[in-house]
Amino acid sequence: SQQGEEDPQALSIQEGENATMNCSYKTSINNLQWYRQNSGRGLVHLILIRSNEREKHSGRLRVTLDTSKKSSSLLITASRAADTASYFCATDNSGYSTLTFGKGTMLLVSP
Amino acid sequence: DVKVTQSSRYLVKRTGEKVFLECVQDMDHENMFWYRQDPGLGLRLIYFSYDVKMKEKGDIPEGYSVSREKKERFSLILESASTNQTSMYLCASSFTLPWMNEQFFGPGTRLTVL
Repeated sequence: SQQGEEDPQALSIQEGENATMNCSYKTSINNLQWYRQNSGRGLVHLILIRSNEREKHSGRLRVTLDTSKKSSSLLITASRAADTASYFCATDNSGYSTLTFGKGTMLLVSP
Repeated sequence: DVKVTQSSRYLVKRTGEKVFLECVQDMDHENMFWYRQDPGLGLRLIYFSYDVKMKEKGDIPEGYSVSREKKERFSLILESASTNQTSMYLCASSFTLPWMNEQFFGPGTRLTVL
């Protein structure tokens, strides 16, 4: 069953701009993760934020988590054409480390 | 670097054939997963395994089975392939600890069933 829902479904920006993607979920979580997928390839893990954390940074990525609103956001600063990909949030809310993925946001960064 | 490899990038099979998709990871991960990814439906979990010879059904196990005889290898089996199993199949592996259970994915197998 789908838990994470990303918003927007698609985002088109120019190089150098910031990109913000949001994720909402329904049940309590152990952690929330963001992944990137280039066209036709496997997913690549970007960042994991635990349920007791509010914000996390990794390079040009900034993730926030608001457990009271059951939502998260991924900010990519100073985007590059190479950031063009689909971005997925995934929630860990089981005892087996299974993840529930959203349907993703397609990001297009134009030079 | 963690490596998760899948036996084929592209596969074409006929309806009714038995299909084996293999996945191997080299990070000593306890958990391994099989997903299928379809446009508009996202990633859906087929089966997962948290230990050798252990398997658990995911969200859409019907028409599939799995085998995990060794820790590093997790196989997905389509007993009798059907056209509605045409999809991208992704394998992943992870540790169990909740603060480090990010999943590492293979490159995917695009399966077409004719």
